[in-house]
Amino acid sequence: QVQLQESGPGLVKPSETLSLTCAVSGYSISSGYYWGWIRQPPGKGLEWIGSVYNSGTTYYNPSLKSRVTVSVDTSKNQCSLKLTSVTAADTAVYYCARFGGGKNYFDYWGQGTLVTVSS
Amino acid sequence: EIVLTQSPGTLSLSPGERATLSCRTSQSVSSSFLAWYQQKPGQAPRLLIYGVSNRATGIPDRFSGSGSGTDFTLTISRLEPEDFAVYYCQHYGSSLFTFGPGTKVDIK
Repeated sequence: QVQLQESGPGLVKPSETLSLTCAVSGYSISSGYYWGWIRQPPGKGLEWIGSVYNSGTTYYNPSLKSRVTVSVDTSKNQCSLKLTSVTAADTAVYYCARFGGGKNYFDYWGQGTLVTVSS
Repeated sequence: EIVLTQSPGTLSLSPGERATLSCRTSQSVSSSFLAWYQQKPGQAPRLLIYGVSNRATGIPDRFSGSGSGTDFTLTISRLEPEDFAVYYCQHYGSSLFTFGPGTKVDIK
């Protein structure tokens, strides 16, 4: 069974870089599906951050593009998110999720991890 | 950039009633690229419907999707207690994802 697990610091200081990883189990990350990051500020809706294909090709939300990097590490079977110059507005639950294989939607999601930006 | 609008913002209904949720896109989209998710408090979103009308694995048949062009609908035929949640539509196009703002279905 496919499982995704996000991890990383729960507290990041303003202007610093948020770094999260998504460990994938039950599926080889290099095998034909793709991986996305989505976030949800407390009490608000979902916002797509970016996606990485198993080729390494990336796509980003235009509103975040200048600050985001998404990557895959096939040796560790995980994907990663980096968001630079964070502010309080970046406080959110961050999810990783799987799509692709002809699917234009996210079929498996991690449980999410809350990241708070505060000094 | 395609913008998704969902209505109503909140839908107050009783168990057993029918729920009709709307998702409108700012321009016509392919039905293949429209999906719906359910999210309960403290949980990750769960895929309900993909390709406008296809139920995801394990989704009960009281959930159905329809629509085309710019107007799409998620219908829950008879609300069960576990269906009270927030529902999001999602579009995929040009390698970018967009989510609607969500509709909360709460107990009347």
